Order: sequence, then C-alpha cells, then structure tokens
Amino acid sequence: KAGVTQTPRYLIKTRGQQVTLSCSPISGHRSVSWYQQTPGQGLQFLFEYFSETQRNKGNFPGRFSGRQFSNSRSEMNVSTLELGDSALYLCASSPGQVSSYNEQFFGPGTRLTVL
Amino acid sequence: GNSVTQMEGPVTLSEEAFLTINCTYTATGYPSLFWYVQYPGEGLQLLLKATKADDKGSNKGFEATYRKETTSFHLEKGSVQVSDSAVYFCALKGWGNQGGKLIFGQGTELSVKP
Repeated sequence: KAGVTQTPRYLIKTRGQQVTLSCSPISGHRSVSWYQQTPGQGLQFLFEYFSETQRNKGNFPGRFSGRQFSNSRSEMNVSTLELGDSALYLCASSPGQVSSYNEQFFGPGTRLTVL
Repeated sequence: GNSVTQMEGPVTLSEEAFLTINCTYTATGYPSLFWYVQYPGEGLQLLLKATKADDKGSNKGFEATYRKETTSFHLEKGSVQVSDSAVYFCALKGWGNQGGKLIFGQGTELSVKP
C-alpha cells in the first residue's frame, strides 16, 4: 500500500499570500489529521477530519482552515501568511472509525517558508 | 488538559550503550500512548504503542511500558546503533471525542557515536 502523500513538499511564499497544502491518505483510511511542527512550539495539532466532517480543531487562528473530500483526500489552507507560519506541516491518516486506539500514519510533510 | 513531558536533549551515546528516554503524561480517562521517531528530513514513523495500563509496546529492540501509577511511558533500548540517531517523540491520544488528536512531547534528539 502506498503511504500518506503530501504535495507540494516545499513551498516558498511571501507575507500576506495564501497557500493550499494537499494530503492523500493511505487507501481505505477515512480520518485525516494535520499538525504544525516548528522548532519553538514543537508539534501542534491543527484539525482532524473524518468522513468530510471536522471533528476536532486545535488552538489556531481562523486563518487556518481545512476540508476533506469524499475520497478522503484533504487540503488545508492558510490565508494572509505571517512569518511565524513557516513550519513543517504534517498530515496523518488513520483507518476506520476515529478511536484513541488507532495509530496515525504520517506523511513526509510540506515545508512552508514565509519570506 | 492533557499533556506530555519528555526529558530534554540532546542525548549523546556511544554505540551499544543503553538508552532511556523519560516520558511522563497528564491525562484524564484512559489515553493511549505512543512513541514516534523522526529521521532528518522525514515525517514521523510510529515506533511502538500501548493502549492500556501495564501494556508493553516493543519494536526494533525498543520497549516502553504503560505505567498508570507513575503516569510514565519511558522508552528503552538495550544496545543503540548509529542508525538510531533521530528525534524521538512521546505522544498520547485522549479518550472519547479527543481520540483523533495526538498530543506530543517536545521531542528528544538522540545522537549515537561509533
């Protein structure tokens, strides 16, 4: 089975622009979660989708949004980019029903640099 | 709220040394506990997990036991190799509607010298 794929792998944007990142989960997985990784804040949860519905949201401003499509692929969008949004954005997928027991499988991440 | 605390790094060891990375957690209910590893330039890989008290997770020579009485999930390996050099993250998933959300510790960088 192919793993979680994320596109693009690298992005450079300038302040004020917006960006869309894409994630394709492992085939058959219906839950997708997004995380932001920075040297200062570490790994922080952004949001989680299951069957096209947002089930959980982290403590991020409204500039961060996401969605999930009927084929379980997910996108996240960041509007009005700030320098502090520079980070590695990781997507993770889980099989079946969301549960505390299910492990999450991570993609390689998208490295976003905001200039 | 739920949280995870890991020992600070970096940790530098010689090849074949014994490894312990401490992890303690705060959580309500019955969380599941995980160790993830991140190699340079890559995403996170699940190393091992435990879903209830006294469970022992193990993989590739690494072990960790879910200790509810001490709220700990310390990672151990008897003999490390240079290829184990990476950043290790302890994480928990909460109970109920928090089940889709991983909460991570700050990560511990391990460097193994030949």
